[in-house]
Order: sequence, then C-alpha cells, then structure tokens
Amino acid sequence: GAVVSQHPSWVICKSGTSVKIECRSLDFQATTMFWYRQFPKQSLMLMATSNEGSKATYEQGVEKDKFLINHASLTLSTLTVTSAHPEDSSFYICSARLYSNQPQHFGDGTRLSIL
Amino acid sequence: DQQVKQNSPSLSVQEGRISILNCDYTNSMFDYFLWYKKYPAEGPTFLISISSIKDKNEDGRFTVFLNKSAKHLSLHIVPSQPGDSAVYFCAASVTGYALNFGKGTSLLVTP
Repeated sequence: GAVVSQHPSWVICKSGTSVKIECRSLDFQATTMFWYRQFPKQSLMLMATSNEGSKATYEQGVEKDKFLINHASLTLSTLTVTSAHPEDSSFYICSARLYSNQPQHFGDGTRLSIL
Repeated sequence: DQQVKQNSPSLSVQEGRISILNCDYTNSMFDYFLWYKKYPAEGPTFLISISSIKDKNEDGRFTVFLNKSAKHLSLHIVPSQPGDSAVYFCAASVTGYALNFGKGTSLLVTP
C-alpha cells in the first residue's frame, strides 16, 4: 500500500522553540496533504489542508501564523510549530492522497512534548 | 460539532467471533466513508472504504455496510483475530473534501 513517512516521530523541546515536522509520500505524488492533531482519547482533528504549490487552508480556530505549513513539492509537506508552548504538546499526524476519490494515507505521527 | 460519532468507546470479542463496529453521521452530504485501524503511537492505516452509491463493500475478513437512510455504517470483522485488537476510526467526507473522524472504538479480541 501507499507509504507516507513522517519525521521526527518524537520531539521534546523547551518552550519558545520552533519545531519542524516533515511529511513525505514515498511511492506516490500527493496532490493534497493534510495535517491533523490528536488529543488523548479524542478523534483526529483536521488542522489544515495543503495543495502542492498553493497556500494551505486552515480550519477555524487554527492559527496560521503559529502553525506554518509548506507544501513545496508533490512529495513533501512540512508543518512548523512556531514558538511552541506546553499547550501545543500533542500528537501531530499528516496524511496524503493522490486524487480526491482515493483514501488518505497517514504517516506514523509525531509526538510533540514542550517543556 | 461532531459530525461522525462512534458511540461505543470499546468492544471486546472472542477470537473467531464476529466484531461489529458502528458509526453514525449527521451530514447527509457525506458520500465517502472509510474505516481506519490505529495502533498506539502509529498513524491510522486505511482498511476499507465505501461510496454512497453502494450499501456494502467486502475485502477479505472486513465488510463495511452503509445505511444512508439511517446515516449509519458498520464494519464487520469475521472471524476476529487477536491481531485485530486496535482502535478503529470511522471517517466520512464529501468526496474531495477533508475527512471527518469519529472518536474511535477500541477493539480487544481475546483468545
């Protein structure tokens, strides 16, 4: 099946640090990538949708200046959490798909812990 | 506002028996439905999907049923195996748009 790689898998850093998470589709060209956040025992909450070469579309309540998304190529999207604070600690997961009528394939997620 | 609901947070089934996971949705515009399986500290893995033009889709031990009038779908796993123990997420969308996920059902298959 389709493979999506997410890196790093775990980050622990100090408050005020900016953290970049990479999401790569390894065996297909992803026209659209999604970024989700998951709190314990909750569903995946969509943060933003990014299409290659254009600006990301953010969901209501998600600060675009806080969570910078770049989708520079058909195989790579990055999420940068700027000036991270403890409340940003969460599990961040990306997904990618080729066409709109195909399922999204997920990376393994990044556990972000801000001290 | 939760548009996709999985009302059972957990389910325990004996090995070899049928596991039935349920999901309800509120948005009648949804036309694409999926089930994902998730292990701890991993991303969800796609299992099976169904479009609104069908009411059943089967893939090996996994069958998804869609009842559009009731806005309900279910995932049947037959026979259940211990390796099926995981959290199962139901997701729905309007084709081309973002997925809406339920909160998941934790399935435990006991030997």
